Amino acid sequence: SYELTQPPSVSVSPGQTASITCSGDKLGDKYACWYQQKPGQSPVVVIYQDTKRPSGIPERFSGSNSGNTATLTISGTQAMDEAEYYCQAWDSSTVVFGGGTKLTVL
Amino acid sequence: QLQLQESGPGLVKPSETLSLTCTVSGGSINSSSYYWGWIRQPPGKGLEWIGSVFYGGNSYYNPSLKSRVSISVDTSKIQFSLRLSSVTATDTAVYYCASMVITSQYFFDYWGQGTLVTVSS
Repeated sequence: SYELTQPPSVSVSPGQTASITCSGDKLGDKYACWYQQKPGQSPVVVIYQDTKRPSGIPERFSGSNSGNTATLTISGTQAMDEAEYYCQAWDSSTVVFGGGTKLTVL
Repeated sequence: QLQLQESGPGLVKPSETLSLTCTVSGGSINSSSYYWGWIRQPPGKGLEWIGSVFYGGNSYYNPSLKSRVSISVDTSKIQFSLRLSSVTATDTAVYYCASMVITSQYFFDYWGQGTLVTVSS
């Protein structure tokens, strides 16, 4: 079965750029999306179709996907961006989630 | 804007069947742009997709759960439902229903608030 691998944690200082990776075999041949989940809340999609931002998602969120790695980039990270982030792709008629990355802003 | 709301028992006994319903509002459950899905999250752990169903009946399931899962749509009630049989403590989780976009990438754009289901005697 297809697997997506994320680092368990990433730390960033306020105002700096955070990058969260998601690795999978030939992931660049598929679309990737990213969800943000804050404690006690439902996930919210912040990037879909590799690079697209839903309405209401700040411009500081961006995405890329090439080769075996998709990357979520948060520019000018704010304290409110501290959350768990999950990547997701579609493979062989199944939804696959990454294990999640805890972003700490400190 | 779609709104989804889960409902169902918060406590299920081991070996019994977990049943949840998701009520959809603010849009059509007959939409050709969506599948309707269930995702769960054990306490302190990550997201696990359970399955997704089209209003016309076509469905996709997580292979690891397929033998125990059934998801159906009731268009007259604007609801879709999850049944998970033979539950054990490892099925304890927050269960989310969500709308799955299928017009470009397959992803979940609207989520319910989630409902905690505990499997315990």
